[in-house]
Amino acid sequence: DAGVIQSPRHEVTEMGQEVTLRCKPISGHNSLFWYRQTMMRGLELLIYFNNNVPIDDSGMPEDRFSAKMPNASFSTLKIQPSEPRDSAVYFCASSATEGNQPQHFGDGTRLSIL
Amino acid sequence: DAKTTQPPSMDCAEGRAANLPCNHSTISGNEYVYWYRQIHSQGPQYIIHGLKNNETNEMASLIITEDRKSSTLILPHATLRDTAVYYCIVRPRGNEKLTFGTGTRLTIIP
Repeated sequence: DAGVIQSPRHEVTEMGQEVTLRCKPISGHNSLFWYRQTMMRGLELLIYFNNNVPIDDSGMPEDRFSAKMPNASFSTLKIQPSEPRDSAVYFCASSATEGNQPQHFGDGTRLSIL
Repeated sequence: DAKTTQPPSMDCAEGRAANLPCNHSTISGNEYVYWYRQIHSQGPQYIIHGLKNNETNEMASLIITEDRKSSTLILPHATLRDTAVYYCIVRPRGNEKLTFGTGTRLTIIP
């Protein structure tokens, strides 16, 4: 079975540029989560969707960050404009909502903003 | 959500059982205990979860004390590939959010 698929795996770009991270959840999962991991702050939840609707975006750092889920099989996390402090590993996860099902994570996007 | 406390690091000899403790003394009746691990450069991997009964799957066993204030994750025959950071997380029933702490860095020694 295909797991959560994230692209790109690595992204290096200059500050001020727009960055778009992509995620394809596991088929049949109706919840999708975006996390960020840094050495200083660990693994933090940014936003999550249920049935393509944003439920909780309290972890989104600021207006430069936005996330969309146009359909059940695709989500994007966009940073515009990017800053060096946005450098981190960004993970996407998905789960089936029923019955306390676990979240399954992708392998992440390692983002470096120069 | 209840907080968890884990030792920052542990070592275990290859082939032996690795026992990873977690304290969650403020856990409430509707909160589950979840365990994830993160191998270097990979996304977190789900291991097991439970409410009050002990659980076992192909990866590990989860032992929850009767008062539910602590639990132990057991990897029965540790291999070098089990070297990872292990996270114990308490999550309320129906709440989809996972709050990761700093975890336990488990090193399997050859």
